[in-house]
Amino acid sequence: QQQVKQSPQSLIVQKGGISIINCAYENTAFDYFPWYQQFPGKGPALLIAIRPDVSEKKEGRFTISFNKSAKQFSLHIMDSQPGDSATYFCAASKGAQKLVFGQGTRLTINP
Amino acid sequence: DAGVTQSPTHLIKTRGQQVTLRCSPISGHKSVSWYQQVLGQGPQFIFQYYEKEERGRGNFPDRFSARQFPNYSSELNVNALLLGDSALYLCASSANTGTGYTFGSGTRLTVV
Repeated sequence: QQQVKQSPQSLIVQKGGISIINCAYENTAFDYFPWYQQFPGKGPALLIAIRPDVSEKKEGRFTISFNKSAKQFSLHIMDSQPGDSATYFCAASKGAQKLVFGQGTRLTINP
Repeated sequence: DAGVTQSPTHLIKTRGQQVTLRCSPISGHKSVSWYQQVLGQGPQFIFQYYEKEERGRGNFPDRFSARQFPNYSSELNVNALLLGDSALYLCASSANTGTGYTFGSGTRLTVV
């Protein structure tokens, strides 16, 4: 019940295209859903986060869509650029407790 | 402003040895958490500290221990190292527990 399942495991998108990564969770007590971006040799960096009282949040080219009834949330990267090539992790937490991470998606943007 | 600082950046240890990893949180952040990231996987929660008190512990053996100091810096100790402990150990800090965590670049531990 503490798992967060992420898909796809890897994704290749052409420059200028839309990258979409999906996550599903089981624990309905989760109330914070962040997305992290990680480059090789670096720690995860917070990209954008959402709470379950909102269905969508947009920051620049990054958008989180949240479906509370389906217990799913997704990251959309618009106008994807080669610099977006990285590993992306979704995560979830309940109140002040630990972050539970998905398995990660390796995104490659072809120029 | 300095981010989350971890030391050392890389470490090679032999099976059975002990290791101490260090973390300095962002100034003003009172919450520190430790995560283990095995290659190709998402980070796994090890410990969370807030105001020097343990607030959470993940599913790790007792060989793993941690503490937080009065200046909010933290140490992670791992005893009797196993090959399977080889991983990137991440420290994250937050002004409050549970949200807005900033991660350091991690300590890459290799056990041989």
